[in-house]
Amino acid sequence: NAGVTQTPKFQVLKTGQSMTLQCAQDMNHEYMSWYRQDPGMGLRLIHYSVGAGITDQGEVPNGYNVSRSTTEDFPLRLLSAAPSQTSVYFCASSATGTSGTQYFGPGTRLTVL
Amino acid sequence: GQQVMQIPQYQHVQEGEDFTTYCNSSTTLSNIQWYKQRPGGHPVFLIQLVKSGEVKKQKRLTFQFGEAKKNSSLHITATQTTDVGTYFCAVHASGGSYIPTFGRGTSLIVHP
Repeated sequence: NAGVTQTPKFQVLKTGQSMTLQCAQDMNHEYMSWYRQDPGMGLRLIHYSVGAGITDQGEVPNGYNVSRSTTEDFPLRLLSAAPSQTSVYFCASSATGTSGTQYFGPGTRLTVL
Repeated sequence: GQQVMQIPQYQHVQEGEDFTTYCNSSTTLSNIQWYKQRPGGHPVFLIQLVKSGEVKKQKRLTFQFGEAKKNSSLHITATQTTDVGTYFCAVHASGGSYIPTFGRGTSLIVHP
């Protein structure tokens, strides 16, 4: 039982490049979410999903796309990377919505030059 | 959207001193969770509070939920260097939000 896994651990992009951050969970959780963490800003919600085929925007969705074709996977796509997207990205999953414990992946540290 | 304030942002203590972080919401909460993130790590769930006035303890950690279910505190007695990290509260507003809103966290630095 690996929990929540994220790849890659580190990534450096040039402005304008696109990439996909991968997230997978093996706990059969319905709820998955993506956060970005910047110094002094806490964890800000980018996008979330309440089940396969259902996604919605969080607090800071601009510049990011998501899809949820399976229960296990929830990739985050950066369409055209910008320096403002330099951050640490965490994926999380939970079994239930309104009171579920969030299980976080190890994070992806992204630098956009 | 849901607003949650967490104070202080940073706290330096000498090993053995106590530490408290506070989480305040402008609206009534369904529940509140606390997470700890070690430097370089990811947030890890500590506890969830649901009932008005609830108090829970985990060894040297004491968690309280306010009577009005709008605020919470995490108190650490006699800090140790292993307590170093950032402590986040995460809240679900009453009426249900699927994903919690996180506070900005309090970073605890313990000096030996």
